[in-house]
Amino acid sequence: AQSVAQPEDQVNVAEGNPLTVKCTYSVSGNPYLFWYVQYPNRGLQFLLKYITGDNLVKGSYGFEAEFNKSQTSFHLKKPSALVSDSALYFCAVRDRSGYNKLIFGAGTRLAVHP
Amino acid sequence: DTGVSQDPRHKITKRGQNVTFRCDPISEHNRLYWYRQTLGQGPEFLTYFQNEAQLEKSRLLSDRFSAERPKGSFSTLEIQRTEQGDSAMYLCASSPPTGPLGANVLTFGAGSRLTVL
Repeated sequence: AQSVAQPEDQVNVAEGNPLTVKCTYSVSGNPYLFWYVQYPNRGLQFLLKYITGDNLVKGSYGFEAEFNKSQTSFHLKKPSALVSDSALYFCAVRDRSGYNKLIFGAGTRLAVHP
Repeated sequence: DTGVSQDPRHKITKRGQNVTFRCDPISEHNRLYWYRQTLGQGPEFLTYFQNEAQLEKSRLLSDRFSAERPKGSFSTLEIQRTEQGDSAMYLCASSPPTGPLGANVLTFGAGSRLTVL
């Protein structure tokens, strides 16, 4: 069965420093991977996805993610964190059922301190 | 089109009562999903519609839960005889038909938070 793991419940980073939010996946075949962000009292917002091609994917708000097949990872990164990046981040993999549904990780809370 | 709309945003009910949530997807999206999210967890898939056909249901969706999408547009999720364990955020998402790369982005609504007393 497809699954994703987010090993960190919370990541703390100082504003202006680079940030990394980790995600590893377990799938059979080629994975379709996604990152979503959730702000308080709002729905999940799409950040970026990896389908095929370049292993470095660029997304919204200056975020990027690196697909690493050998390590089965898809870590989310940003060169310089902002306080406004503080939110809940979810990694997801597309299920192979063909219905385009997503399987989400448990989420990582990012706290960016001034 | 302002995205995926969900109503109500919050619902407080007593155990044993029935509740219904409504989702209005983006108009050109033929695929509609319901997810449930509890505190500290990621969203869990409940059910999927393609147009008006309900094509997949999770084992999480007990017989007290029913979802419909009668005309292939809006959808409703009903929970009968609510239990305290049903307290969660119920999220609706929609997506367009699968494109050539086979993985379109799901657009989520803000969710309907259910509290069962």
